[in-house]
Amino acid sequence: EIVMTQSPATLSVSPGERATLSCRASQSVSSNLAWYQQKPGQAPRLLIYGASTRATGIPARFSGSGSGTEFTLTISSLQSEDFAVYYCQQYNNWSSITFGQGTRLEIK
Amino acid sequence: QVQLQESGPGLVKPSQTLSLTCTVSGGSISSGDYYWSWIRQPPGKGLEWIGYIYYSGSTYYNPSLKSRVTISVDTSKNQFSLKLSSVTAADTAVYYCARVSEMSGYYFDYWGQGTLVTVSS
Repeated sequence: EIVMTQSPATLSVSPGERATLSCRASQSVSSNLAWYQQKPGQAPRLLIYGASTRATGIPARFSGSGSGTEFTLTISSLQSEDFAVYYCQQYNNWSSITFGQGTRLEIK
Repeated sequence: QVQLQESGPGLVKPSQTLSLTCTVSGGSISSGDYYWSWIRQPPGKGLEWIGYIYYSGSTYYNPSLKSRVTISVDTSKNQFSLKLSSVTAADTAVYYCARVSEMSGYYFDYWGQGTLVTVSS
């Protein structure tokens, strides 16, 4: 099983500032990495796939980077609606999908 | 626009079998371009992939749940279903159904709103 580790567990950032979230894989997943946003009481929403491709309708302030074992989700100029929990997911081993444990992005 | 909707009992007794159905609208399960998946989330915790199914019936399960999980598809009703046997309190979670694009990668692009299943006597 590929273990996905996200850091930090909680990130406190002020509105208008930049947030940088990290995701590390226990072995290479190439660029087969997705990011999701989840707000309380809602299903996760796909933000990024292929490590860096924004999903349909996702604002340009969300960007993803990385390959292999190290990945980053960057949110430039945080808006109030961006405060949520973010998960990464690897699908390089598509017969055994795994998620990170999540990063909670909170208002500073 | 594809929509997915979970349905099933919200309370299941320990040792019994949890059964849920996901109804897909706005697209056909039989289109062949997608896998159809179940994912769960215990209260206050992270996401766990359970498994997925192709319209033909081919399945892939999380190795940690494989001995207790069955996912099936009913193309005539545009539905797929989850059965999880011998449940315990650890299986209490919000259960989501979701779509996976086979062509561009095994990520989840459409989700149902989720249904809470509590395991308790």
